[in-house]
Amino acid sequence: AQSVTQPDIHITVSEGASLELRCNYSYGATPYLFWYVQSPGQGLQLLLKYFSGDTLVQGIKGFEAEFKRSQSSFNLRKPSVHWSDAAEYFCAVALSGGSYIPTFGRGTSLIVHP
Amino acid sequence: NAGVTQTPKFQVLKTGQSMTLQCAQDMNHNSMYWYRQDPGMGLRLIYYSASEGTTDKGEVPNGYNVSRLNKREFSLRLESAAPSQTSVYFCASNRGHQDTQYFGPGTRLTVL
Repeated sequence: AQSVTQPDIHITVSEGASLELRCNYSYGATPYLFWYVQSPGQGLQLLLKYFSGDTLVQGIKGFEAEFKRSQSSFNLRKPSVHWSDAAEYFCAVALSGGSYIPTFGRGTSLIVHP
Repeated sequence: NAGVTQTPKFQVLKTGQSMTLQCAQDMNHNSMYWYRQDPGMGLRLIYYSASEGTTDKGEVPNGYNVSRLNKREFSLRLESAAPSQTSVYFCASNRGHQDTQYFGPGTRLTVL
């Protein structure tokens, strides 16, 4: 079965600093990969997704993620964090060619200091 | 377009009580899902409906039942609520294979 690991429960950065949130998956073939953001008291919103093609994916709100097959990783990055980016971030993995039911990581909480 | 709507937003139950969480989508999506979110656990799939008339168990189905009433609506029922079912419940929908999931705002349920 597929699994998703987000090794960092909390990440703290200063406003304006760069950000990288880690995501590793366990699955033999190339899965579909997603990053979602959840603001306090809200549902999840898709930031970006990777199905195939260019391994560097651009998303909304200035986020990008890079798929690295050799490392089974799909890390999320942003060059300059804004205070409004403080939220919970979830990586998700779905089986390509399967039922497309994503498995979610446990989430990383981003704290932004002024 | 309201997207995915959920009712109620908050609910407090006593152990043993029953209730139904409602979910509706106006995007003509084929597939709908129910997740629960617990601190440090991410989202876990309870049940899903790949298309109207079908439902399947997810990772944590025990203690729940679902009904895909029509293409728009997918309800989640707790027949006899337990404190372990205290959680935030999210409904989601998508067109199907490869499509982005769209989430509702969630229902915060407390079982005393």
